[in-house]
Amino acid sequence: SQQGEEDPQALSIQEGENATMNCSYKTSINNLQWYRQNSGRGLVHLILIRSNEREKHSGRLRVTLDTSKKSSSLLITASRAADTASYFCATDAYGNNRLAFGKGNQVVVIP
Amino acid sequence: KAGVTQTPRYLIKTRGQQVTLSCSPISGHRSVSWYQQTPGQGLQFLFEYFSETQRNKGNFPGRFSGRQFSNSRSEMNVSTLELGDSALYLCASSPLAGANEQFFGPGTRLTVL
Repeated sequence: SQQGEEDPQALSIQEGENATMNCSYKTSINNLQWYRQNSGRGLVHLILIRSNEREKHSGRLRVTLDTSKKSSSLLITASRAADTASYFCATDAYGNNRLAFGKGNQVVVIP
Repeated sequence: KAGVTQTPRYLIKTRGQQVTLSCSPISGHRSVSWYQQTPGQGLQFLFEYFSETQRNKGNFPGRFSGRQFSNSRSEMNVSTLELGDSALYLCASSPLAGANEQFFGPGTRLTVL
């Protein structure tokens, strides 16, 4: 079964606005990763946050992890049209040693 | 460094046939994982190979198999194709085994008629 589960809603925002998406998971994890996918192509790794970290930044990306709530959020600040994509969270559950991906969140940034 | 490459990019087969997909990882990466992506099931883990050994396997029938060569290149094979096997098959490589940062290829779009 899939671990990561994003909020299923699609997001449509204006360029320059912030985009936030959430991910919840069911079991204890070693790390949680976020990936981006453009138009059914390969995924691109965005950021990895370990279970002992609470927040991590990378450029315009900010990821938080709340292990007590088994949830994570990805914030994209000052969005650009090029941020239009599907965003997936993936978890590495203890003992599993493989990534389980959520269903993905589609984000459309309107220029 | 060149990225992960997958061949072919598109493939059309009919039910009952078999297919072999190929993946060349980033130079120096010894781990190769395969995923199936469909609109209904999303991204599902097929298997991971590291140093020519299958380390991990997802919940797929035995029709799905793979292997890895000494140069880390990997192939996956699907026998007796079914309509439900139509999907985007993604290969990912990593320097280390396990659920670390994955570097994905562009995928092979398989259509089964």
